[in-house]
Amino acid sequence: DAGITQSPRYKITETGRQVTLMCHQTWSHSYMFWYRQDLGHGLRLIYYSAAADITDKGEVPDGYVVSRSKTENFPLTLESATRSQTSVYFCASSPNRGRRETQYFGPGTRLLVL
Amino acid sequence: DAKTTQPNSMESNEEEPVHLPCNHSTISGTDYIHWYRQLPSQGPEYVIHGLTSNVNNRMASLAIAEDRKSSTLILHRATLRDAAVYYCILPQVGGAQKLVFGQGTRLTINP
Repeated sequence: DAGITQSPRYKITETGRQVTLMCHQTWSHSYMFWYRQDLGHGLRLIYYSAAADITDKGEVPDGYVVSRSKTENFPLTLESATRSQTSVYFCASSPNRGRRETQYFGPGTRLLVL
Repeated sequence: DAKTTQPNSMESNEEEPVHLPCNHSTISGTDYIHWYRQLPSQGPEYVIHGLTSNVNNRMASLAIAEDRKSSTLILHRATLRDAAVYYCILPQVGGAQKLVFGQGTRLTINP
């Protein structure tokens, strides 16, 4: 049982290129999330999804696109990468949206944009 | 949304108890208190949560003040593997549960 996985774990790209980060969970959780973590900042929510084909913006959505055609996958695409998108990206999932629910995080993808 | 305040860093010795404080003076009656931790180069992981009563699990204990304006995460016997950043969070609910991560407390464990 892999839980929640992210790929690639490390990625180097150039400014202007399109990059897709993958997230896969095996629990059939309804909710999935994308966060970014930068030095000097805590984790910040980029996008979330409540179910297949239902997505919504978080705190810092600009420059990112998400989709969720299947419950288990939640890819994050940087359509035209910028240096400011150099960061560590974490995917998470949760079974429900209540205040006492737990979010389960993946190991992260370290992205460097040159 | 209610905010939390934690010390930036704390230090303790291996095999000793650690008490990590969190202030949340504007907490509402429906806010749960969650703790997550992030070990070096890993994603955050859930530690414990509570509403009013003290809570225990295999990882830690959570002591909640009677007025709920503060709480303390207790690691009963710290090990080197407990060195991490600990986050105290009051999840909000909109379209989904929303976790707002502050700076947390960086816990150093001395051998």
